[in-house]
Amino acid sequence: SQKIEQNSEALNIQEGKTATLTCNYTNYSPAYLQWYRQDPGRGPVFLLLIRENEKEKRKERLKVTFDTTLKQSLFHITASQPADSATYLCAPMNRDDKIIFGKGTRLHILP
Amino acid sequence: EPEVTQTPSHQVTQMGQEVILRCVPISNHLYFYWYRQILGQKVEFLVSFYNNEISEKSEIFDDQFSVERPDGSNFTLKIRSTKLEDSAMYFCASSERASGPREQYFGPGTRLTVT
Repeated sequence: SQKIEQNSEALNIQEGKTATLTCNYTNYSPAYLQWYRQDPGRGPVFLLLIRENEKEKRKERLKVTFDTTLKQSLFHITASQPADSATYLCAPMNRDDKIIFGKGTRLHILP
Repeated sequence: EPEVTQTPSHQVTQMGQEVILRCVPISNHLYFYWYRQILGQKVEFLVSFYNNEISEKSEIFDDQFSVERPDGSNFTLKIRSTKLEDSAMYFCASSERASGPREQYFGPGTRLTVT
């Protein structure tokens, strides 16, 4: 069955450093991969989408890579800030409607 | 900025009762979705809806669940006979594109508590 693994349940990063979150997937050949942010008690918020033929995508302090050979995506936040503390969800997508979310990684940026 | 809205924010119901969760998607969006998140677990896809019919549904979305777009603006999820295990946050989402990858815009959720 399709499986998504996101690195460690929680990640603590010092403010100003780069946070790197990992998403690995198996039994899957996604055409796209999305990253969402979720704050406690709130709905997920779309951050970035990367297609299978793109290696890297950037948006402000965010960078996503997509390696279809390794079946992995990396999500980077540079110059991290306490406001970046949240759970980040990886969501590989086929060419259909549904999003299958990973469990997420809780990121804590320490001041 | 347009956003997805959901009502109520919290619904408490007794086991066996019917509940209807309501959503108003973003007005020019074409695709609508329901997800649920049991406390401490991941967000799970329930159903997608396009052109007034279900386009995809998960194993969770059994005969106890139904969706409807009754009036062109609301999108509802009905659970016919609630069970304790239906207690969760239910998120509605909508997306704009007719084809290709679609980022989804989520509402704030309805917390359903079944007692």
